[in-house]
Amino acid sequence: GAGVSQSPSNKVTEKGKDVELRCDPISGHTALYWYRQSLGQGLEFLIYFQGNSAPDKSGLPSDRFSAERTGGSVSTLTIQRTQQEDSAVYLCASSRGTGTSGVETQYFGPGTRLLVL
Amino acid sequence: AQSVTQLGSHVSVSEGALVLLRCNYSSSVPPYLFWYVQYPNQGLQLLLKYTSAATLVKGINGFEAEFKKSETSFHLTKPSAHMSDAAEYFCAVSERRGATNKLIFGTGTLLAVQP
Repeated sequence: GAGVSQSPSNKVTEKGKDVELRCDPISGHTALYWYRQSLGQGLEFLIYFQGNSAPDKSGLPSDRFSAERTGGSVSTLTIQRTQQEDSAVYLCASSRGTGTSGVETQYFGPGTRLLVL
Repeated sequence: AQSVTQLGSHVSVSEGALVLLRCNYSSSVPPYLFWYVQYPNQGLQLLLKYTSAATLVKGINGFEAEFKKSETSFHLTKPSAHMSDAAEYFCAVSERRGATNKLIFGTGTLLAVQP
């Protein structure tokens, strides 16, 4: 596609419910990243995929958070038993994935704004 | 561990004035550094990046940044601010350790441009 897309753009949920956030990376990009942007914590890395595998899950804040990627394309971030502190903007990014040199540009989607009541 | 520090969470300039947004980094290896801009309710857009080629990097929208190893800095500048430059700006360093490509972001600087 032309850019990274994310859905839904906004999500309001009740504490304790599960939510799924979706990311469609740029076509052909094998690397995919999830970040969280919140007032208190700024921009935080959550997880990195290369293809369908996740070599770096170090940023997932608790075992309530999980992510998967299928077919080397679409990724889903799932938050179980949501808490109010999960309220944030969840950003997805993708890059070509040609290596771990760190020089690649990450292209960001518009984000999903999650509000947990 | 690598990190970046952005001095000044809010910067206000007049239209036509110089824009200077500060970023200092900490890294045990030669860093790869990025500046991103975020407009309200949008994702992040890359302005420019430093990947150890030229120390003066030119980006989009008239922005540039100079990598200064002696000062561990990568400040973002623009000679003349436009109203459309009002946004939040993030400096980031690429984590270069192990099997990861994650970005580590600064806390951001909100730029206001006064008419």
